[in-house]
Amino acid sequence: NAGVTQTPKFRVLKTGQSMTLLCAQDMNHEYMYWYRQDPGMGLRLIHYSVGEGTTAKGEVPDGYNVSRLKKQNFLLGLESAAPSQTSVYFCASSHRGGLETQYFGPGTRLLVL
Amino acid sequence: DQQVKQNSPSLSVQEGRISILNCDYTNSMFDYFLWYKKYPAEGPTFLISISSIKDKNEDGRFTVFLNKSAKHLSLHIVPSQPGDSAVYFCAARSSVYAGGTSYGKLTFGQGTILTVHP
Repeated sequence: NAGVTQTPKFRVLKTGQSMTLLCAQDMNHEYMYWYRQDPGMGLRLIHYSVGEGTTAKGEVPDGYNVSRLKKQNFLLGLESAAPSQTSVYFCASSHRGGLETQYFGPGTRLLVL
Repeated sequence: DQQVKQNSPSLSVQEGRISILNCDYTNSMFDYFLWYKKYPAEGPTFLISISSIKDKNEDGRFTVFLNKSAKHLSLHIVPSQPGDSAVYFCAARSSVYAGGTSYGKLTFGQGTILTVHP
């Protein structure tokens, strides 16, 4: 039981390049989330999903797209990376979206040059 | 506009003493407050929570206090241990309804780095 895993752990991109961050959970959770964490700021929600095939925007969705084709996977895409997207990205999942505890992955550190 | 603030970036405490981490919020619609703990190179893990209708919740060495009139909450760790050294995030929950679904949105503070010295 691995919980929430994220791939890759670290990546360096040049401005304008694209990439996809993969999040996988093996807890059969319905809800999944993508956050970013920047220095001096808390975690901010980028996008979330309340079930397979559904996604919705969070606080800071611009420049990102997501897909939830399978219940266990939640992908975060950057179509054209910008230096402002340099951050640590965390994926989380929860059984439901209410008071259910969110379980976080270990994070992906992304540097955009 | 930061709705949840942790004004102390860091806190240093001696082993065995009490650690007090503080958090202030502005939104009266928050209905639950949570504390998450984060070690380096790991994701945050849930520590303890409190409903907005309570003023105290205790779990072992960890106690969270909520003062609604002051819009302030605090996490007390007694006694502090070196293994408690981590970043602590305060988070507040509000219900969001969008597109026929709802979820509990978490708004996080900036985090406080706690260092417990042996």
